[in-house]
Amino acid sequence: DVKVTQSSRYLVKRTGEKVFLECVQDMDHENMFWYRQDPGLGLRLIYFSYDVKMKEKGDIPEGYSVSREKKERFSLILESASTNQTSMYLCASSPLGLAGNSGANVLTFGAGSRLTVL
Amino acid sequence: AQSVSQHNHHVILSEAASLELGCNYSYGGTVNLFWYVQYPGQHLQLLLKYFSGDPLVKGIKGFEAEFIKSKFSFNLRKPSVQWSDTAEYFCAVNRGYNQGGKLIFGQGTELSVKP
Repeated sequence: DVKVTQSSRYLVKRTGEKVFLECVQDMDHENMFWYRQDPGLGLRLIYFSYDVKMKEKGDIPEGYSVSREKKERFSLILESASTNQTSMYLCASSPLGLAGNSGANVLTFGAGSRLTVL
Repeated sequence: AQSVSQHNHHVILSEAASLELGCNYSYGGTVNLFWYVQYPGQHLQLLLKYFSGDPLVKGIKGFEAEFIKSKFSFNLRKPSVQWSDTAEYFCAVNRGYNQGGKLIFGQGTELSVKP
């Protein structure tokens, strides 16, 4: 019953390291998202993609980049990890949706990747 | 800018008590509203959603929410909580037309239910 899979549940990295977080969905969804979850701040949108090779910045893109080479896969990249990027990272996907895109707002989330940067 | 505010950061209840978690949003357009829940050690999952029509929405596990447009509110309710409802609850709103999936989330409310 796995739908959105994040390859790493827990990671510990050192400051300055390059970090890859991988996400794969098996629902043939067009839309994919990376959110960051921090206590007291809820979830914040980092990047999203509505199609293969398409990407757009969300609310907090600084220090991050993404890659979407295949429809089912959406990767988050931290080029040079910093301690303030210690967080829980959530990948989500949604269908294209009908006109008005209500269906596209129904997100399916992965289990999350908890990243600690030392 | 759109925002979502959840009034309570941490709520502690005894089993069988009634629950109401507050959620207010600021968005003047056609709203899609959501409550997501994250049980300990589990992924975030959809509890219920409002797109249009009946403002009283029923979700899974006996939860319901009422959309009150005049108050910009979408409060979550359950008449009698169980220990298994212990979780973190997030309210969310859409950003606008054709901005699918780019939800704005509230800060989250942690619910602890004592057996």
